[in-house]
Amino acid sequence: LAKTTQPISMDSYEGQEVNITCSHNNIATNDYITWYQQFPSQGPRFIIQGYKTKVTNEVASLFIPADRKSSTLSLPRVSLSDTAVYYCLLAGSYGQNFVFGPGTRLSVLP
Amino acid sequence: KAGVTQTPRYLIKTRGQQVTLSCSPISGHRSVSWYQQTPGQGLQFLFEYFSETQRNKGNFPGRFSGRQFSNSRSEMNVSTLELGDSALYLCASSSLPSGSDTQYFGPGTRLTVL
Repeated sequence: LAKTTQPISMDSYEGQEVNITCSHNNIATNDYITWYQQFPSQGPRFIIQGYKTKVTNEVASLFIPADRKSSTLSLPRVSLSDTAVYYCLLAGSYGQNFVFGPGTRLSVLP
Repeated sequence: KAGVTQTPRYLIKTRGQQVTLSCSPISGHRSVSWYQQTPGQGLQFLFEYFSETQRNKGNFPGRFSGRQFSNSRSEMNVSTLELGDSALYLCASSSLPSGSDTQYFGPGTRLTVL
């Protein structure tokens, strides 16, 4: 099974761009990369998903290099409400290998 | 569209007892996955069901089991509870059992084993 690593915590200020990287050296060929946000006492909430290159939606961008051994979640202009734990998830296209990263606790300061 | 619901939200049990947790997926979703979340181990995959069949299982002892009904609702059971089973148990639903399909999580069931 692929193992993932993330920074344990990050601090940022309101209005800044935040980049959180997940390392997954042993990612399988058919694994998709998904990022989730979790607030205390709530279930994780979907942010963005990708397989390769770059994906952008209304809240974030996801950068995946050609070798797919890492992925970077980019949050533009964070606000206090973005303070949460962010997880990357690897999951195969056939529903196998559900592996969550350890999570990155993002603190946004005023 | 209603989200994923889990019942009960909180549960207190004692060692040796068993517990059953329930998950109702989003309408139309046929895949349900279960996860255990603890401060020490993070989010760990328990098992996944699709069309009443268990398709994948994580690295947990046989005390952890589950099932899925024809209406896609799912239950997980933990027998002979141990203190270390205290955790937040999350279920997630998706249309298909694929990593390319977005999983939607419920609020979780907080289990405390005394």
